[in-house]
Amino acid sequence: GAVVSQHPSWVICKSGTSVKIECRSLDFQATTMFWYRQFPKQSLMLMATSNEGSKATYEQGVEKDKFLINHASLTLSTLTVTSAHPEDSSFYICSARDLTVGDTEAFFGQGTRLTVV
Amino acid sequence: GQNIDQPTEMTATEGAIVQINCTYQTSGFNGLFWYQQHAGEAPTFLSYNVLDGLEEKGRFSSFLSRSKGYSYLLLKELQMKDSASALCAVLDSNYQLIWGAGTKLIIKP
Repeated sequence: GAVVSQHPSWVICKSGTSVKIECRSLDFQATTMFWYRQFPKQSLMLMATSNEGSKATYEQGVEKDKFLINHASLTLSTLTVTSAHPEDSSFYICSARDLTVGDTEAFFGQGTRLTVV
Repeated sequence: GQNIDQPTEMTATEGAIVQINCTYQTSGFNGLFWYQQHAGEAPTFLSYNVLDGLEEKGRFSSFLSRSKGYSYLLLKELQMKDSASALCAVLDSNYQLIWGAGTKLIIKP
């Protein structure tokens, strides 16, 4: 299967600072990237969907000014958590698909464990 | 609304067989996925069904009945490393993945 690389794997930051998470598709063009958040013992919650070159579509309840998503190229999408607070501590996972070739399977990055102290 | 139901937790014995069910109600259907997720890790792909019937892949099999809105994941010859969550997800008419809450599978020796 295709490879999606997510970085960093884990990060600890101080409350009020910003954190950037990168998601790269290594061997295919990710026309669509999905960003998920997963709290302990819960399923994946979709935060936003981004298509290359256009603005991300955020799910209800997700603050677009707090969770900045950039999908400037077909191989890279970034999620920036701005002014992070302890309640933002979670497991963030990206996944990518190439919908131009009708790919239905979503390939996941390794996930980023964010801890805000 | 869209809904995916699967049991919260199941326990099985090493070497045995376990079947994890998933029922769904979604706006449209373009396939059903099963993913495995170990604690602290991202999900990994197990299977994809878009037509009715059974898909077998080694120790894992997945079944789909579109008319019943039902799927199951069958794991045979259970190993301790199978202790993980099994996530059922449906691709709806907009090709968006709708996720179930996951079934935590506990394997006992």
